[in-house]
Amino acid sequence: RKEVEQDPGPFNVPEGATVAFNCTYSNSASQSFFWYRQDCRKEPKLLMSVYSSGNEDGRFTAQLNRASQYISLLIRDSKLSDSATYLCVVKRLTGGGNKLTFGTGTQLKVEL
Amino acid sequence: DGGITQSPKYLFRKEGQNVTLSCEQNLNHDAMYWYRQDPGQGLRLIYYSQIVNDFQKGDIAEGYSVSREKKESFPLTVTSAQKNPTAFYLCASTERQGDYNEQFFGPGTRLTVL
Repeated sequence: RKEVEQDPGPFNVPEGATVAFNCTYSNSASQSFFWYRQDCRKEPKLLMSVYSSGNEDGRFTAQLNRASQYISLLIRDSKLSDSATYLCVVKRLTGGGNKLTFGTGTQLKVEL
Repeated sequence: DGGITQSPKYLFRKEGQNVTLSCEQNLNHDAMYWYRQDPGQGLRLIYYSQIVNDFQKGDIAEGYSVSREKKESFPLTVTSAQKNPTAFYLCASTERQGDYNEQFFGPGTRLTVL
């Protein structure tokens, strides 16, 4: 079983739609959680961290359920510019230091 | 401007040759990482370093080597022992302490083995 699992998509949605992505992680020792965004053939960039109480940044809302080992990302009022791959990332401390594990990503295509 | 630079952006190599990918950061970060990304796959950790002169193997270290002689530099050598070296290679850095420190990425190097 992969340490971080995501539905690869693609999610094809019309502009203005609300879309939700889910992610599960297998290692209960995971400490911190993130969503990164990756545009085609570019490097990933941090979209938002995911806190235990849930957090919102504009049109983006992230939720964490530690008991179920589940993370979600909700995008409201989708824009064409939201088209990208969204990577779920978990971080844990190892003997060698902090280690991030990336999901394979969920592809979003927002259409007119 | 602070950031991470990787060079070259595109690299072509003949089978059987070693090649070294450059990664430099001026963010004063202690920790640096190398990932590889294949089409349709997530990032996989090759090597990471939390401090100068120390580094750890990641999940797919076979066929790769690194050095960390300076805080700002973490070069990756892809050796001829790496069976499938064609991939997109990403270098990243972060502050060592703190649960929610952002990991910053360089623009990547696309390696193609001919």
